[in-house]
Amino acid sequence: GAGVSQTPSNKVTEKGKYVELRCDPISGHTALYWYRQSLGQGPEFLIYFQGTGAADDSGLPNDRFFAVRPEGSVSTLKIQRTERGDSAVYLCASSLIAGNQETQYFGPGTRLLVL
Amino acid sequence: AQSVTQLGSHVSVSEGALVLLRCNYSSSVPPYLFWYVQYPNQGLQFLLKYTSAATLVKGINGFEAEFKKSETSFHLTKPSAHMSDAAEYFCAVSDSGGYQKVTFGIGTKLQVIP
Repeated sequence: GAGVSQTPSNKVTEKGKYVELRCDPISGHTALYWYRQSLGQGPEFLIYFQGTGAADDSGLPNDRFFAVRPEGSVSTLKIQRTERGDSAVYLCASSLIAGNQETQYFGPGTRLLVL
Repeated sequence: AQSVTQLGSHVSVSEGALVLLRCNYSSSVPPYLFWYVQYPNQGLQFLLKYTSAATLVKGINGFEAEFKKSETSFHLTKPSAHMSDAAEYFCAVSDSGGYQKVTFGIGTKLQVIP
């Protein structure tokens, strides 16, 4: 079956611009997670959705970052007024439910470069 | 605050040799511990997790990890390395048990020498 997909795979933008990153989770997965992986680092938690609502957004670095999941499936991570420090690979993952009994599946990531 | 430390950013082993990737954790509560693998140009893949049900956890591709509370460790092992094991491995910790708010280590790159 189809895995987690993310688009675009690569995004180059200029400082100050607005970007949207999309995540299509595995069909039927209610839990969706966004992480950010900077060069040479491990992934860093950003936000977690259970269904349509953001159950935990404590990892979002500041108010320039926002994510939505209006219908409980596809999610969009939105970054306003991008800065060079936002350059990273943005990872999306989903699991059937949230909890330690479920396997989490990751997408290939979107590589964002802010010039 | 919870954290993990991965000892050795790069590890090289010969094909057929034992793989040992080290991870030590710090947590104020009984932790949930994970290992993930990232193959070149691919997304992260879940390997295994410790949830207190058993101290020795078996994962995919012949990997296993043992939780040792006395050593605050959760090292990843595989008896015999295969060329296809070359990848970056991440240890992670969560105090909630779920995947939300998982804190990752910086990763260990495993090189397998033929």
